[in-house]
Amino acid sequence: AQSVAQPEDQVNVAEGNPLTVKCTYSVSGNPYLFWYVQYPNRGLQFLLKYITGDNLVKGSYGFEAEFNKSQTSFHLKKPSALVSDSALYFCAVRDIGGQGNNNDMRFGAGTRLTVKP
Amino acid sequence: ETGVTQTPRHLVMGMTNKKSLKCEQHLGHNAMYWYKQSAKKPLELMFVYNFKEQTENNSVPSRFSPECPNSSHLFLHLHTLQPEDSALYLCASSLSSGSSYNEQFFGPGTRLTVL
Repeated sequence: AQSVAQPEDQVNVAEGNPLTVKCTYSVSGNPYLFWYVQYPNRGLQFLLKYITGDNLVKGSYGFEAEFNKSQTSFHLKKPSALVSDSALYFCAVRDIGGQGNNNDMRFGAGTRLTVKP
Repeated sequence: ETGVTQTPRHLVMGMTNKKSLKCEQHLGHNAMYWYKQSAKKPLELMFVYNFKEQTENNSVPSRFSPECPNSSHLFLHLHTLQPEDSALYLCASSLSSGSSYNEQFFGPGTRLTVL
């Protein structure tokens, strides 16, 4: 079955600096990869996804993520962090053509990003 | 947040109570989901409905009982819960769950506390 790891519980960056939130995955087939953000007292909000094609995916609010098949990673990045980016970020994966159900989306445990002024 | 709404936003119940969580989506989607979110743990998929039919039940205890009367509404009926069931319960919807590339849209969640 597929799995996702977000190795950092917490990431702290200064406003204006680049940020990276890490995600690695494990699948038996091909991955469909997603990033979501959760602000306090809100549900998860879709940021971006990788299905196929260009390894660099651009999403909402200036975020982007790079699919790296050899490293089985899909790290979330932003060139210049804002205080308003402070939130909980979730990586998720679907295992397409592998063992199990293609529709089963597995989420990581989340990474709390804090951007300080 | 008007896309997927959940009520109530907060619920406190005793272990012998019976209560229901409600979810409604206004996005024209055909698939709806219940997730459980506990602190520092991955989201746990509980149930999936596609065109009102339940397609997944991820070994959820029978004290949780879902109901999907139509593609826009999803309920989670709760009875004789345990304190460890306290969590944030999230509802989500998407275009047909058979299309694996579709992202899900989430409601704000119901914060459940079981005393």
